[in-house]
Amino acid sequence: GAVVSQHPSRVICKSGTSVKIECRSLDFQATTMFWYRQFPKQSLMLMATSNEGSKATYEQGVEKDKFLINHASLTLSTLTVTSAHPEDSSFYICSADGLARGRNEQFFGPGTRLTVL
Amino acid sequence: DAKTTQPNSMESNEEEPVHLPCNHSTISGTDYIHWYRQLPSQGPEYVIHGLTSNVNNRMASLAIAEDRKSSTLILHRATLRDAAVYYCILRDLNAGNMLTFGGGTRLMVKP
Repeated sequence: GAVVSQHPSRVICKSGTSVKIECRSLDFQATTMFWYRQFPKQSLMLMATSNEGSKATYEQGVEKDKFLINHASLTLSTLTVTSAHPEDSSFYICSADGLARGRNEQFFGPGTRLTVL
Repeated sequence: DAKTTQPNSMESNEEEPVHLPCNHSTISGTDYIHWYRQLPSQGPEYVIHGLTSNVNNRMASLAIAEDRKSSTLILHRATLRDAAVYYCILRDLNAGNMLTFGGGTRLMVKP
């Protein structure tokens, strides 16, 4: 199946710093990628839909100026958490929409665990 | 969005079949029924999906009720590696292709 990678897998940062998370579709071109976050013992929550070459569509309650999404190529989307605070500590997961390769499914990355001190 | 209802948790013995139920009484005609599972500290993994007919693949089977208001994911022989949270999700390809995750069912497999 398709492979989606995320980098870094784990990051610890100080409060007030910015953190960039990369999501790569390794073996197909994904016109649409999705970003989710998951707090401990909770389900995944969709943050935004990222379309290549256009602005991301954010879900209600997600601050677009805090969570900057860039989908500059068909294989790479990045999420930047700006001025991170402890409440932003979470498991961030991206996925690539498989419809571009004729598959009605999303291919998920392994996730990035962010800890803000 | 049409929502799904799943039991919070289920338990199974290793090597036995597991039937994971899902109710989706407000499903619309364009909703596909998707199942994903998430192992601890990993991203979700696609399991199976269907529209109206029952579906089989190497991982599982999906049984869809005739009125489509419920479905059941069937793992034919549970292994310890099947212990995960299983999510039943309705996906409308006409409405942004996004997946809205509910609470899921935590499947525990006993040796």
